[in-house]
Amino acid sequence: GQQVMQIPQYQHVQEGEDFTTYCNSSTTLSNIQWYKQRPGGHPVFLIQLVKSGEVKKQKRLTFQFGEAKKNSSLHITATQTTDVGTYFCAGGYTGNQFYFGTGTSLTVIP
Amino acid sequence: NAGVTQTPKFRVLKTGQSMTLLCAQDMNHEYMYWYRQDPGMGLRLIHYSVGEGTTAKGEVPDGYNVSRLKKQNFLLGLESAAPSQTSVYFCASSLSTGVNYGYTFGSGTRLTVV
Repeated sequence: GQQVMQIPQYQHVQEGEDFTTYCNSSTTLSNIQWYKQRPGGHPVFLIQLVKSGEVKKQKRLTFQFGEAKKNSSLHITATQTTDVGTYFCAGGYTGNQFYFGTGTSLTVIP
Repeated sequence: NAGVTQTPKFRVLKTGQSMTLLCAQDMNHEYMYWYRQDPGMGLRLIHYSVGEGTTAKGEVPDGYNVSRLKKQNFLLGLESAAPSQTSVYFCASSLSTGVNYGYTFGSGTRLTVV
């Protein structure tokens, strides 16, 4: 089946440092979504990218979709303690389902 | 507006017992999904539905059955629970698969099979 690889699995940063998580697919994606899950909570939709090379920003979060539509990244500038959680990418292929990456757990040290 | 509601929130089953997890959404969404989340493995799709009366298998369907008799409800059944089914189960729904139609997740059901 389809597989979306996500790295790193864990990331610890000092508050104020930047953070990046990466997703890669062996085959071309039709689109990609990003979610955030707070500890003990459920995934919450952040954004969807569709176009090759697309870049979208949400305040301190920057999302990129690769030119070949096989990779994506989420970058957080100047992390805050409220950014703590697990960030998932979900790759969409043809059809009606998304395949989730294994997630990156972010810890922010005050 | 409740969004996606899952019941129960917690359950402990003995091996071989059966149970049904209920997911209800009040957003008139066409698509509904059942995922399981295990440590280090992300979210894996069990079954999904693209509309009332339809169901389809996902990545890990074995040991589970589903039904979507009404548009707003999606039921996940375990006929004979096994310890390997210990997990957190999330239901999700979406209006469509078009641009910016992200999934809305329920709060999850934590299931332990002993």
